[in-house]
Amino acid sequence: LAKTTQPISMDSYEGQEVNITCSHNNIATNDYITWYQQFPSQGPRFIIQGYKTKVTNEVASLFIPADRKSSTLSLPRVSLSDTAVYYCLVGENNDMRFGAGTRLTVKP
Amino acid sequence: DTGVSQNPRHKITKRGQNVTFRCDPISEHNRLYWYRQTLGQGPEFLTYFQNEAQLEKSRLLSDRFSAERPKGSFSTLEIQRTEQGDSAMYLCASSSWDRGDGNQPQHFGDGTRLSIL
Repeated sequence: LAKTTQPISMDSYEGQEVNITCSHNNIATNDYITWYQQFPSQGPRFIIQGYKTKVTNEVASLFIPADRKSSTLSLPRVSLSDTAVYYCLVGENNDMRFGAGTRLTVKP
Repeated sequence: DTGVSQNPRHKITKRGQNVTFRCDPISEHNRLYWYRQTLGQGPEFLTYFQNEAQLEKSRLLSDRFSAERPKGSFSTLEIQRTEQGDSAMYLCASSSWDRGDGNQPQHFGDGTRLSIL
């Protein structure tokens, strides 16, 4: 199974764009890339999922280069309420392996 | 869509007792998953069901852990003879799957926090 590597923590300020990159060098052909957000004492919340190129929804964009060995979650104009842990997962949805995630802190 | 519901939200028990948690998935979802999460770590996959069939259980942490989904709707996770190391958040998730749609993302509940005294 593909292992993911992402920064342990990131800081940002309100109104900035935040990009969190995840490395997954041994991603398999059938694997999707999925990002979740988790607040303390809550379950993870689905943000976005993609297979290749670019995916955009109302809260985020996901950029995936042609070799699919990495991906970048882009959060436009973050607010204080975006302070959370963000997880990058690679694999089939019936076999998801979470890493430790990236702790994003948004400052005023 | 009422979301995934887990009960109880908190459970405190003495070491050696048995505990059971319940998960009610999103109604139209046929897959249901259980995870464990300890402080500072990401969720750790335990097992999953498609309808009432348990399709993966090799990653249950020990034979003290078992899960059921008898009618393909709600599920229960039981831990027998609890140990202090079982203290954690237990998360449930559900998703829909069919051969046409394939890979649909999981939706999580807010978990049951277990504390072993």
